[in-house]
Amino acid sequence: GIQVEQSPPDLILQEGANSTLRCNFSDSVNNLQWFHQNPWGQLINLFYIPSGTKQNGRLSATTVATERYSLLYISSSQTTDSGVYFCALSNAGNNRKLIWGLGTSLAVNP
Amino acid sequence: NAGVTQTPKFQVLKTGQSMTLQCAQDMNHEYMSWYRQDPGMGLRLIHYSVGAGITDQGEVPNGYNVSRSTTEDFPLRLLSAAPSQTSVYFCASRSGANEKLFFGSGTQLSVL
Repeated sequence: GIQVEQSPPDLILQEGANSTLRCNFSDSVNNLQWFHQNPWGQLINLFYIPSGTKQNGRLSATTVATERYSLLYISSSQTTDSGVYFCALSNAGNNRKLIWGLGTSLAVNP
Repeated sequence: NAGVTQTPKFQVLKTGQSMTLQCAQDMNHEYMSWYRQDPGMGLRLIHYSVGAGITDQGEVPNGYNVSRSTTEDFPLRLLSAAPSQTSVYFCASRSGANEKLFFGSGTQLSVL
């Protein structure tokens, strides 16, 4: 089945810094999503982005399906950005189940 | 809209007890799923459903049962709780295969 790898596993930033999180995958995808799990455990859907680029405030995401990766950009980070960021995806061969990466744990210090 | 609602938020069980985790969504989503999250292991799919009356197994189905009698509800049953089932459980739903996934707030379960 399709494999997902996220990097880096851990990241520590000072408030105001920018960062790029990466999600690599081993096969073509027709569904790719980014999630943020805050320190209280809540999982929030950030982007549905099987291809192309989207932006939402200080966050943006780009998926290059032909190169089999997706990037999540966080600009001017804030302490509220802390938590774990997951990517999850599926392909046309098995689109009933999402395959999850292990996440990037981000800590933003004031 | 309430979105995806899970109850209870916390539960402590003794080994061998049974219980049902409730999940309801008010978005008329066809797809619903249950995940468990353990430290260092990310999210693992337990069971999922693509519509009322249709359920299937995920990665870690043993020890859990589900049913989907209505579009809105997707309860998860622990038949005989074991300490290995201590985890945080999340219910999620989406309107179709290639749509955004929305999560409930989670249930923290401890089995002693």
